[in-house]
Amino acid sequence: DSGVTQTPKHLITATGQRVTLRCSPRSGDLSVYWYQQSLDQGLQFLIHYYNGEERAKGNILERFSAQQFPDLHSELNLSSLELGDSALYFCASSVEPNYNSPLHFGNGTRLTVT
Amino acid sequence: KNEVEQSPQNLTAQEGEFITINCSYSVGISALHWLQQHPGGGIVSLFMLSSGKKKHGRLIATINIQEKHSSLHITASHPRDSAVYICAVFFTGNQFYFGTGTSLTVIP
Repeated sequence: DSGVTQTPKHLITATGQRVTLRCSPRSGDLSVYWYQQSLDQGLQFLIHYYNGEERAKGNILERFSAQQFPDLHSELNLSSLELGDSALYFCASSVEPNYNSPLHFGNGTRLTVT
Repeated sequence: KNEVEQSPQNLTAQEGEFITINCSYSVGISALHWLQQHPGGGIVSLFMLSSGKKKHGRLIATINIQEKHSSLHITASHPRDSAVYICAVFFTGNQFYFGTGTSLTVIP
């Protein structure tokens, strides 16, 4: 058990809709990272937060947004959903604000857009 | 351009064999991670490297900063090692890129 909790595990929704994915980091970890894993593109880095502040952005679409709250949990908001947004969305947490500490992954949220 | 290349893409080994998976990257990095993803989808971090070599049980990871190359070795492979192994690189400039993964199958 990594100590990272992601909810929901599965989400099925229609095109054009908006969903929110939630991530609670491991106790003591201040960094939260979001990743997308699709069949055709593999794993991609979306965004990184450290202690409530955005640290880095990767290949995150403008339709997607995220935030990290004072209690350190994070939410990834996906809007105007398209079929191509169907993927596994992982979050990971770590202690430090960079990648020089181990990552702890959640079990992912599987999003299906129909 | 930040690039991460892994080889081989697929690997089948007999139980007990020594396995090597390679990862090459294009420019300077801050850290390199080796990840394991099981068929159920969960991802586990195996190693985080910025230099040298690390060992954990039957797994060994090495990195050569000058050659921009890392290897993951599995000694005495076992069917439970069957998984996808992914190299992930943190480039200076706060960008994080993943290799395409190596799918390993260990046959009893």
